[in-house]
Amino acid sequence: EPEVTQTPSHQVTQMGQEVILRCVPISNHLYFYWYRQILGQKVEFLVSFYNNEISEKSEIFDDQFSVERPDGSNFTLKIRSTKLEDSAMYFCATGGGQAKEETQYFGPGTRLLVL
Amino acid sequence: AQSVTQLGSHVSVSEGALVLLRCNYSSSVPPYLFWYVQYPNQGLQLLLKYTTGATLVKGINGFEAEFKKSETSFHLTKPSAHMSDAAEYFCAVSDLGTGRRALTFGSGTRLQVQP
Repeated sequence: EPEVTQTPSHQVTQMGQEVILRCVPISNHLYFYWYRQILGQKVEFLVSFYNNEISEKSEIFDDQFSVERPDGSNFTLKIRSTKLEDSAMYFCATGGGQAKEETQYFGPGTRLLVL
Repeated sequence: AQSVTQLGSHVSVSEGALVLLRCNYSSSVPPYLFWYVQYPNQGLQLLLKYTTGATLVKGINGFEAEFKKSETSFHLTKPSAHMSDAAEYFCAVSDLGTGRRALTFGSGTRLQVQP
């Protein structure tokens, strides 16, 4: 069964450093998402991406965040200058092309720790 | 704005007992509703979803949920708990009918199954 994969599974970084989280979507999916879950809190939507552009974003997704599909396969989330409060589990999700019924399939997540 | 409330952050049942996990939502448009399960150190897996049509939906592993518009609820049930059901369960809502795909999650319910 196809699945979403994410790398790395864990990342530790220093405050102020840039990090790139990677996701390999299910091959025929057209919609891509990033969510995050701060320890002990809800899963929160960050951004959705379709047709090589952002289609929705939350208030959390400010200028320090960016997304892209650099090679048509990987879907990446970049955090330019990490802050302590960026420590969280980051989930990638992908979905199919039907407009009405879409299930989002989640990857296993990347646990980011900012020191 | 959408919101999801899951009553009970922790639920404990005996093996073989009924499982009932509660979810209430608010949405300005007919919602699309989802239940996801998260096993330790894994991503979110879809259990079941409601989009349109029959209000009682069946999912994987013997779970089902009923959409009750009048009560704005989408409670998850399973007649007989199994040890392998121990996990965290998340209810989520989207306004996909309006084209907005972002999922809004509840805070999750951790299910413990006692032998």
